[in-house]
Parts: sequence; C-alpha cells; structure tokens
Amino acid sequence: QVQLKESGPGLVQPSRTLSLTCTVSGFSLTSYGVSWVRQPPGKGLEWIAAIWSGGSTDYNSALKSRLSISRDTSKSQVLLKMNSLQTEDTAMYFCARGTKDWGQGVMVTVSS
Amino acid sequence: DIQMTQSPSFLSASVGDRVTINCKASQNINKYLNWYQQKLGEAPKRLIYNTNNLQTGIPSRFSGSGSGTDYTLTISSLQPEDFATYFCLQHNSFPFTFGSGTKLEIK
Repeated sequence: QVQLKESGPGLVQPSRTLSLTCTVSGFSLTSYGVSWVRQPPGKGLEWIAAIWSGGSTDYNSALKSRLSISRDTSKSQVLLKMNSLQTEDTAMYFCARGTKDWGQGVMVTVSS
Repeated sequence: DIQMTQSPSFLSASVGDRVTINCKASQNINKYLNWYQQKLGEAPKRLIYNTNNLQTGIPSRFSGSGSGTDYTLTISSLQPEDFATYFCLQHNSFPFTFGSGTKLEIK
C-alpha cells in the first residue's frame, strides 16, 4: 500500500528556513519520482519541486532560488528546504508520488 | 511555464444535473491533463488521467475529453458526494501547473 506522510515545524518565523520531510512507504524512491505541492489557505495548488527516480531535480522557476529538494533512500524520505520565508509562503504542503498518490499534507504558517 | 485557464470558477447545480468544467492550456499539452477532486481539508483525489482515463474506483459518471490546448471534465449526473472543488493539472512539462479550480455548489 502506497503511503506518503509529510512532517514539518508548523510555525516558522519570517526570513527563516523551512525544512519539510516526506516519508514514504509501499514503493522505492529509486523507482518513482516525488514532488512537493503547496496550497495557500482558500487558494489553488502550486507545484513547487520534484526529485525523479534517477535523482535529478526540477523546481518551479518562480521559487527556484529559494528551494532545495533531496532524498535519503535508506530512510525512504524526501526533504524540501525553502529559505527566506515570507507570510505568502503560509500554505498546506503536500508531497505526491507521480500525479496520483498524495499525502495528507502539513500546514505551515509563517508568522512572527 | 504553461498557463492553465480553468472555467467556470463557480458552478451551482442540482443533483442529477450534467455539468462540464473546462481547462485551456497556453500551449499544446499532448493530452497530459489530469482532473482532481478536492474536498475541504483533504488532499486532491485524481479522477481522470491523461485526458480520458478513469482512475480505478472512480464512478463512470465522470469522464474527460480534449486534445491540444482544450480539455473538459464532464459529470453526467451529479450526486450529493460530488459537490467539491475540481482542478485540472497539466503534466506535459515541468513545472506542472494547475488550473485555478472550480467550486461546485448545490443549487
């Protein structure tokens, strides 16, 4: 059974760095790509980064300078780091396998 | 980046109605278009993949069509559980991009 579970700090101060973890089960990170998608409260969805089965990465061009995605295959985890956080980064952050399987998301609030 | 223009933003309909939701891409996306349903507080659920392929377990009242830049989701006979928000997603090229969503409400 494919499962993805996001974890993170919940509340982050402006200008700080956000670190999120997606822990997966039921599949191998060397066989499937995993992406991060976010959704501000009451708004639409934005695809922000992906790490593919071979380890290559892609980023949303609008956020690329602030993002880093990586993985630890031994722990079945995909890591997302976003620096210089602003209030506009407040959102639910989801990880997804391909375009089908999604985690339940983790809410991140940027506030002092 | 490919822009996805979704319409309408809001749709008010009754149980049993047939409804259509549209997405228009800013360039040809080669049928790499998915449709999702999202209910409040939940992750999106994929209904249709690659334009017209019904996800396993999704009722056959949902269907998709289109090609090139224009795509449509049709719900043939609305059921109470269908009232939700719907998004399209192009995955022809990265960054993948979503439509802005259609909120389907009970009339």
